[in-house]
Amino acid sequence: GEEVAQTPKHLVRGEGQKAKLYCAPIKGHSYVFWYQQVLKNEFKFLISFQNENVFDETGMPKERFSAKCLPNSPCSLEIQATKLEDSAVYFCASSQSGQGRQYFGPGTRLTVT
Amino acid sequence: EDQVTQSPEALRLQEGESSSLNCSYTVSGLRGLFWYRQDPGKGPEFLFTLYSAGEEKEKERLKATLTKKESFLHITAPKPEDSATYLCAVQLNQAGTALIFGKGTTLSVSS
Repeated sequence: GEEVAQTPKHLVRGEGQKAKLYCAPIKGHSYVFWYQQVLKNEFKFLISFQNENVFDETGMPKERFSAKCLPNSPCSLEIQATKLEDSAVYFCASSQSGQGRQYFGPGTRLTVT
Repeated sequence: EDQVTQSPEALRLQEGESSSLNCSYTVSGLRGLFWYRQDPGKGPEFLFTLYSAGEEKEKERLKATLTKKESFLHITAPKPEDSATYLCAVQLNQAGTALIFGKGTTLSVSS
């Protein structure tokens, strides 16, 4: 389809629990990006993939965050042992060639209590 | 350090009152500058991409321009439905690099 799909829309976890977010990029797009939006407008880059390969993971807090993009499956972002500061909206975006426009999904709001 | 700064943070306009939003950037090598619109509870919606100084793009009441140091988003005769947060982002000169976002300008247009 022509839209990036993200599930779930909203996720609530107690501190220390695991959270897993999913993203289905637009078919035919080779690049997938994950961003974290905190404090209403601040976007922080987490990780990007070129097909199933990690392209850039410089923004990932590696101790607790991991991500995958496997063939014929939605991409996933997993947070082990969530912390209060992980509360944010997580956006996935895809891009056809890695250059130019990135198409954003509707986001997953993670609330850690 | 690569940086994107947007001003003002918030802007209140009356319907029909034209204005401009500013995005200044300091980057090592610019591939492209992007404008997105974000409504509450939604993902960023693409508006424009600008690649070189002097370039201009238009869509309905919006016009984006680019110089070597900044971009402007001009809003002509805005309507209440133009109320949203407008985000500016840059992509550096390497394929596949992530967008670097500014903090956005929240526009409110009242009738």
